[in-house]
Amino acid sequence: QSALTQPASVSGSPGQSITISCTGTSSDIGAYNYVSWYQQYPDKAPKLLIYEVSNRPSGVSNRFSGSKSGNTASLTISGLQTEDEADYYCNSYTASSSRVFGGGTRLTVL
Amino acid sequence: QVQLVESGGGVVQPGRSLRLSCAASGFTFSTYGVHWVRQAPGKGLEWVAVISYDGSDKYYADSVKGRFTISRDNSKNTLFLQMSSLRADDTALYYCAKDRERSPTIDYWGQGTLVTVSS
Repeated sequence: QSALTQPASVSGSPGQSITISCTGTSSDIGAYNYVSWYQQYPDKAPKLLIYEVSNRPSGVSNRFSGSKSGNTASLTISGLQTEDEADYYCNSYTASSSRVFGGGTRLTVL
Repeated sequence: QVQLVESGGGVVQPGRSLRLSCAASGFTFSTYGVHWVRQAPGKGLEWVAVISYDGSDKYYADSVKGRFTISRDNSKNTLFLQMSSLRADDTALYYCAKDRERSPTIDYWGQGTLVTVSS
């Protein structure tokens, strides 16, 4: 049950696009289309942004999009806004019916 | 609206036990899988355990297997986490969370209850 691998930090300027990667194995990301992404502000509970690789829940901006290729999933945020500055986590269902999170990525909007 | 309210956290000595509770409302609790997820101070999210809608299936992270037990009481819309043999590295904010309908995806989270393991 090793954590999924995410970059510790990414940054971008307002209006730009950034992509956060999330690398797992053939027993989690590579095996299932059950990858989700969460946004977390300091001292707040996480919020679901993307589910099942590329689906957005109602109310989530279409500036957030998800994709997957092999054992790696990606979250893209387009048209960066200052309010997007937060921590982002990926999550996957696994072959042992457990779940695993990525280590988290701190997004800085310069 | 969906509400998940955790309770039971506190300061506990290493080796002792503690039971967390999570009161659910705003959805049909008995039809959803529910989880415990924790976050150590200044660290990332760590999945802890999940229990199926009817309690028949339970899965745990390796880090807590054999020490923690997840359970639920559907008649009281409540989720539990019995923690024993607590260690300093169990210190964290413990979140209760529910799965999305027909999908192994966490969609709603509580606000968490803090567990501090210290002598």
